[in-house]
Amino acid sequence: AQKVTQAQTEISVVEKEDVTLDCVYETRDTTYYLFWYKQPPSGELVFLIRRNSFDEQNEISGRYSWNFQKSTSSFNFTITASQVVDSAVYFCALSEADAGGTSYGKLTFGQGTILTVHP
Amino acid sequence: DTEVTQTPKHLVMGMTNKKSLKCEQHMGHRAMYWYKQKAKKPPELMFVYSYEKLSINESVPSRFSPECPNSSLLNLHLHALQPEDSALYLCASSPRTGGQGSPLHFGNGTRLTVT
Repeated sequence: AQKVTQAQTEISVVEKEDVTLDCVYETRDTTYYLFWYKQPPSGELVFLIRRNSFDEQNEISGRYSWNFQKSTSSFNFTITASQVVDSAVYFCALSEADAGGTSYGKLTFGQGTILTVHP
Repeated sequence: DTEVTQTPKHLVMGMTNKKSLKCEQHMGHRAMYWYKQKAKKPPELMFVYSYEKLSINESVPSRFSPECPNSSLLNLHLHALQPEDSALYLCASSPRTGGQGSPLHFGNGTRLTVT
């Protein structure tokens, strides 16, 4: 069965600090997709990034970067120079797929990390 | 602005009431989802519709009844709920349930309180 673990329940930083959110996953499939979502107080889950299991290339998008390492089953998320607007709950999620890469359509979420950025 | 619209934003209902949650998307997506999220917990999948047909029911109690009248609309009918059903109910859509791991697009949710 698939499982996603976000060991950090809450993180508190001061604005402009860098912060890394950890995500470790378990799956028996060789093909799968990993996601990060942001949930601000308004409630909507905002999609941030998707990675498939065959693409270990790290990605940077503005102040956000992601480090995917299959050897350690980790998909960590770093925010550089954090801002107050980054305060939210961040979820890592996993979707298993068949050998052809077709997702089964079920998303398993980690427990989430509450990030608070203080001015 | 979210492309998945949920109404109402807030709902308070008694245990004997019947109410419905509504979700609408106009992105041409053919898969729609209901998730339930309790406070300080991750979303939990309830139902998945694929091409207007129910494809996944995660053993949800029958007091929750989903309906997909067309490809743009998803309803969740509520009847005889319990206080422990109070939660944020999130609707989501994606191009289809299979595919190459397309991300889900979520609505803002309906915050339900059962008294």
